[in-house]
Amino acid sequence: AQKITQTQPGMFVQEKEAVTLDCTYDTSDPSYGLFWYKQPSSGEMIFLIYQGSYDQQNATEGRYSLNFQKARKSANLVISASQLGDSAMYFCAMRGSTGANNLFFGTGTRLTVIP
Amino acid sequence: DGGITQSPKYLFRKEGQNVTLSCEQNLNHDAMYWYRQDPGQGLRLIYYSQIVNDFQKGDIAEGYSVSREKKESFPLTVTSAQKNPTAFYLCASTPPPGEVGQPQHFGDGTRLSIL
Repeated sequence: AQKITQTQPGMFVQEKEAVTLDCTYDTSDPSYGLFWYKQPSSGEMIFLIYQGSYDQQNATEGRYSLNFQKARKSANLVISASQLGDSAMYFCAMRGSTGANNLFFGTGTRLTVIP
Repeated sequence: DGGITQSPKYLFRKEGQNVTLSCEQNLNHDAMYWYRQDPGQGLRLIYYSQIVNDFQKGDIAEGYSVSREKKESFPLTVTSAQKNPTAFYLCASTPPPGEVGQPQHFGDGTRLSIL
């Protein structure tokens, strides 16, 4: 069974500072993918970044980077130079290599950027 | 622009009434998914379809039904058997399976409430 754990219900960060959102996972699939999505108050899910289980390097997309530690089963999202528009819910999700290819989501972290 | 369209944005259901949520995509994706999101929670899978005329139950399918008569459309019916339907419903799609790295694309969601 797949499981995603996000232990930070809420986080605060000062504008222009960096912040790390934690995510740990559990799976028995040999190959899997890890995703981060942003959900603003309007509700849509915005894809941010992807990390494959066999990727040698940590993924980066602009101000977003993923700190992937496979042995620890963690996939933390790092947002650099926070902006007010980064205030939102952030979800970590995982897809295995078998089954329906659906995503398993964590409970999310609400990030608030303080001016 | 390609994308996923969910309608309506807000929906109200009376006791004992069935309601149908629309999901249309013009991304030419084979797989489509329905998720439910409750306040403060992650997304949970209701139903998914990997091909036309075929669909499978997800983790919380009781009280819901779907159809997949066209590749572009995957409507979700919330039946009167669903005793707690108040939630935010999100539809998603992915290209043909083969790569775990393909992100799911989401619609903007439908917020369902009980009158």
